[in-house]
Amino acid sequence: DTGVSQDPRHKITKRGQNVTFRCDPISEHNRLYWYRQTLGQGPEFLTYFQNEAQLEKSRLLSDRFSAERPKGSFSTLEIQRTEQGDSAMYLCASSSRVAGALSTDTQYFGPGTRLTVL
Amino acid sequence: AQSVTQLDSQVPVFEEAPVELRCNYSSSVSVYLFWYVQYPNQGLQLLLKYLSGSTLVKGINGFEAEFNKSQTSFHLRKPSVHISDTAEYFCAVMRRGGAQKLVFGQGTRLTINP
Repeated sequence: DTGVSQDPRHKITKRGQNVTFRCDPISEHNRLYWYRQTLGQGPEFLTYFQNEAQLEKSRLLSDRFSAERPKGSFSTLEIQRTEQGDSAMYLCASSSRVAGALSTDTQYFGPGTRLTVL
Repeated sequence: AQSVTQLDSQVPVFEEAPVELRCNYSSSVSVYLFWYVQYPNQGLQLLLKYLSGSTLVKGINGFEAEFNKSQTSFHLRKPSVHISDTAEYFCAVMRRGGAQKLVFGQGTRLTINP
C-alpha cells in the first residue's frame, strides 16, 4: 500500500507531557498538510509544507505546536506540554502540485493519530 | 475567509432510497468545492470536486453533486444508497489561487437502514 501513513495510530498521554507524531506522505508528493479533527467536527487546517518549506500556519497552531519536514519527505508534529484540549484526531494529507490555472491538487489523507490527554 | 455549513448533522435513510446531503458555503472570493467521505477507522477519501465548467459533477460510488453559485450550495446526491454508504460525509472549500488548504463543514453522518 502506498498511501499516506501515520504513526502512532493512537496515543494516550498525561497532561504536561510532550508528544510527537509522524506522517509519511505518498512517495514523491511535494505537499504535506496537517489538520486537527475534534469529535463531531470537520477537520481544521493546521499547517502545510511544500517540500521542506513550511508555507502557512493556522492561528490554531499555538507556540506549543511545532511541525517539521526535513528533506521534504516525512513530517513530524510535536505538541509540548499537552493540555486536555489537545485531545483530537490529527490528520496528515499529501498532494502533488498540478500545473494549470484551473487545477488543484487532490489531497490524500492518512488514517490519523488519535490523541487522548488525561 | 471561507466557511462551510452542512445543514444536517445526521441523515438516516433506507437502503435503495435516494439521498441528498446539503452543503452551503460562504466566501468573498471564488472557491473550489469538494466532498470527502470518512468510513469508520479510515482516512478521508475524495468523492468528487468542482473546479469549473459543468455545474453537475459526478464522483465515485455513484455520487454526484451540483454547484449552484446563486445559492452558494453544493449538495451531494445519490439515487439509490447501499448499506456500504454508511459513513461521515464532509463538504469542503478551497480558495482559488490561494493557499492549498481545505475548509471543512462539520460533517453529516449518513446511516443506511436495511
